[in-house]
Amino acid sequence: DIQMTQSPSSLSASVGDRVTITCRASQGIRNDLGWYQQKPGKAPKRLIYAASSLQSGVPSRFSGSGSGTEFTLTINSLQPEDFATYYCLQHNSYPLTFGQGTKLVIK
Amino acid sequence: EVQLVEAGGGLVQPGGSLRLSCAASGFTFSDHYMDWVRQAPGKGLEWVGRIRNKANRYTTEYAASVKGRFTISRDDSKNSLYLQMNSLETEDTAVFYCARVESTRGYTYGDWGQGTLVTVSS
Repeated sequence: DIQMTQSPSSLSASVGDRVTITCRASQGIRNDLGWYQQKPGKAPKRLIYAASSLQSGVPSRFSGSGSGTEFTLTINSLQPEDFATYYCLQHNSYPLTFGQGTKLVIK
Repeated sequence: EVQLVEAGGGLVQPGGSLRLSCAASGFTFSDHYMDWVRQAPGKGLEWVGRIRNKANRYTTEYAASVKGRFTISRDDSKNSLYLQMNSLETEDTAVFYCARVESTRGYTYGDWGQGTLVTVSS
């Protein structure tokens, strides 16, 4: 199974900050990775697909990068609505595996 | 507008069974792979399994934690997805989501249902 190691597990930041979340795969997964945002009590929402493609309707302050084993999600100029939990998901091989999640909280 | 609506959750005793359903609308259900994903209370997301479309012979994949106990099926005539859960364990307590797989978006999840809570407890 491919392990996805996501870091940090929690992150404290202020409105206007730039933050970066990382996912490392235990083996190469090409660009078969998506990023999702989840708010309490809600279903996740796709932000990024194919590692770096921005989902339509998602603000351009979100960006993804990486290929192979290391991937990042960057959020520029944090907005109040961005405080949530973020997950990466690899779909290169079965079983599909999520990162452990990063909870982004307001400082 | 794409809609996925799960139903069938509830309280079940350990060792019991439950069948979840997911009613789909707003897209051509038969074209898409469909997945189940779960989330234990206060925990992260866990992939449960996948069913492919007719063109791929409705083949399935499962997480090791549920293989042999859970079965995913679909009825394209009813635009519905199912998850039959047998031999339930307390560790299966979670919110279960169905999700639409988009092959044109890197096989990621374009849409999710609102989730249905399954509680396994005596």
